[in-house]
Amino acid sequence: EPEVTQTPSHQVTQMGQEVILRCVPISNHLYFYWYRQILGQKVEFLVSFYNNEISEKSEIFDDQFSVERPDGSNFTLKIRSTKLEDSAMYFCASSEAPQGATDTQYFGPGTRLTVL
Amino acid sequence: KNQVEQSPQSLIILEGKNCTLQCNYTVSPFSNLRWYKQDTGRGPVSLTIMTFSENTKSNGRYTATLDADTKQSSLHITASQLSDSASYICVVSANSGYALNFGKGTSLLVTP
Repeated sequence: EPEVTQTPSHQVTQMGQEVILRCVPISNHLYFYWYRQILGQKVEFLVSFYNNEISEKSEIFDDQFSVERPDGSNFTLKIRSTKLEDSAMYFCASSEAPQGATDTQYFGPGTRLTVL
Repeated sequence: KNQVEQSPQSLIILEGKNCTLQCNYTVSPFSNLRWYKQDTGRGPVSLTIMTFSENTKSNGRYTATLDADTKQSSLHITASQLSDSASYICVVSANSGYALNFGKGTSLLVTP
């Protein structure tokens, strides 16, 4: 069964450094998403992406963050100048249709980011 | 502000027993409501999706209900198994966009 994959599974970085989290969505999916989950808290929406542009973003997704689909398979989340509070599990998800429709979002296993 | 509240926060039941988890939401305008299962350290997995016009949806031993008038939903788990131990998350989508509004989840522990 096709699945969303994410790399790395765990990323440790120093405060102020840039990190890139990578995701490979399911191959025939057109809509891509990033979420984060701070330890012990609820999952939070960051951004959705379709047709090579951002469809929607939350107030969390400020200028520190950017997303890119550099090729036909990868979807990346870049965090510039990381802060301690960026430490969280970051989930990538993809769907065939926008979630406004009743279409299932498939989540990856997540990347745990630890900022020291 | 869109909010999704779940209860109870945690629940312990014996294997084979049934349980019901609750979700109240204030997301507007409403598009759909989803229940996800999240195992520790893993991404959420979709169980059910319901639109405004649906009031019940089943997926195996999981049955979700929706009352759009009172803005409440429940997830009923029948004949629980040890593998049902996980966090169950209620997620509500608004018509206006792509963002999913997540509840904090109910942590379910099924014991032998």
